Order: sequence, then C-alpha cells, then structure tokens
Amino acid sequence: DIQMTQSPSSLSASVGDRVTITCRASQTISSYLNWYQQKPGKAPKLLIYTASSLQNGVPSRFSGSGSGTDFTLTITSLQPEDFATYYCQQNYNTPYTFGQGTKLEIK
Amino acid sequence: EVQLLESGGGLVQPGGSLRLSCAASGFTFSSYAMSWVRQAPGKGLEWVSAISGSGGSTYYADSVKGRFTVSRDNSKNTLYLQMNSLRAEDTAVYYCAKDLIAGLWGSPRWGYWGQGTLVTVSS
Repeated sequence: DIQMTQSPSSLSASVGDRVTITCRASQTISSYLNWYQQKPGKAPKLLIYTASSLQNGVPSRFSGSGSGTDFTLTITSLQPEDFATYYCQQNYNTPYTFGQGTKLEIK
Repeated sequence: EVQLLESGGGLVQPGGSLRLSCAASGFTFSSYAMSWVRQAPGKGLEWVSAISGSGGSTYYADSVKGRFTVSRDNSKNTLYLQMNSLRAEDTAVYYCAKDLIAGLWGSPRWGYWGQGTLVTVSS
C-alpha cells in the first residue's frame, strides 16, 4: 500500500497568513494526488485534483503543486472559513489512501 | 443539483450485519463510478470500496475484503454496501462519494459526497 504522510499534523495561523501543507507519498504517484477540506461534522470537500487542478467553485487562494512523491497545498491570505482539516489522497492505485490530516487552527 | 443521501446506519452487535444505501439524484447515475469512504470517530478518512458505473468492477480495502460487498442498482439510482461480520473497528461514519468524471474507472476524484451515516458496532 502507498503510505501518505502529511506535515505538519496541526498548524496555527492567523487570518491573512499564507500557509503550506506538505504531503509525501511512500512511492512515486506521478500527479495522482487530490486535496480535500473537511470541517467538523461535515463531509469532505474536494479542493484540488491531479495535484494542481482547482475544483470548480474553489477560491483561487488555494493552489496545489508537486509530482512524484512530494506535494504541497498552499493557501494564500487565509480566510476565517479556511480553518478546517485538510487531507491529501492518492488515486494512483488501490487502496486509495489518505494522509493523516492537517488541522488548521486559528492563532 | 447532485444529491447523495446515505441511510441504513445504526447500532449493531459484533458479528452482525447491516446494509447501507446511498440514494443518488441530479446526475446520470450509471455513468459514474462510486465509492464508500469511512471515518472512525475522531480519526481520519479511509477508503472502503469502489464500484464502476456498470457495476461490473469492484475494489475493496483489505480491511473489509470478504466481509463487505458493494453493489448498485442503476434502475433505482442507488448504491449499496452490505456489511457482514462487523467488528468494533468498523465503527465509523460511512460516506458515499461520486467520481468527478463520467465514464472513468480508477483514479477517482470524489467531487460530491453524501452527508454520511453512522455505523456503531458494539455489544
């Protein structure tokens, strides 16, 4: 199975900050990497697919990059609604594994 | 508008069975692969199973293989997850999720999710 490791596991930031979350795969997955946002008690929401493609309706302050084994999710100018947990997920092969999540909290 | 509505969750004893349903609307159901993803209380996300649009191909996580069966009824626009031999570690919110792209099998991008249904396995 492909292991996905996110860092950091938690992060405190302020409104207006720029934050970066990293995700590393245990083997190369080309660009088969998605990012999801989840708020408490809600279903996950797709933000970025194929490493860098922005899902329809997602604000442009979200961006993704990377290929191979190393990926990043960047949020520029944090907004209050961005405080949530973020997960990376590989869809290179089954089982489709997720990272452990990064909880983004208000400083 | 795409809608996915899960049902069938509840409290079941270890070793018991449960069938989850996911009623879909707002899109051509048979054109999309579907998946089940679960989340144990306070934990991260775990993919459980996937099924192609026709229902002819399925994948399972090792943790549920041989115990869970995914199926779909395209005439009823409904996805199912039959869960047998349930264990305490199967306790989770179960989400159904729709692939982003029609006709794609493999490499899913879950663009739409249901609200989830809670399964609790406990004596």
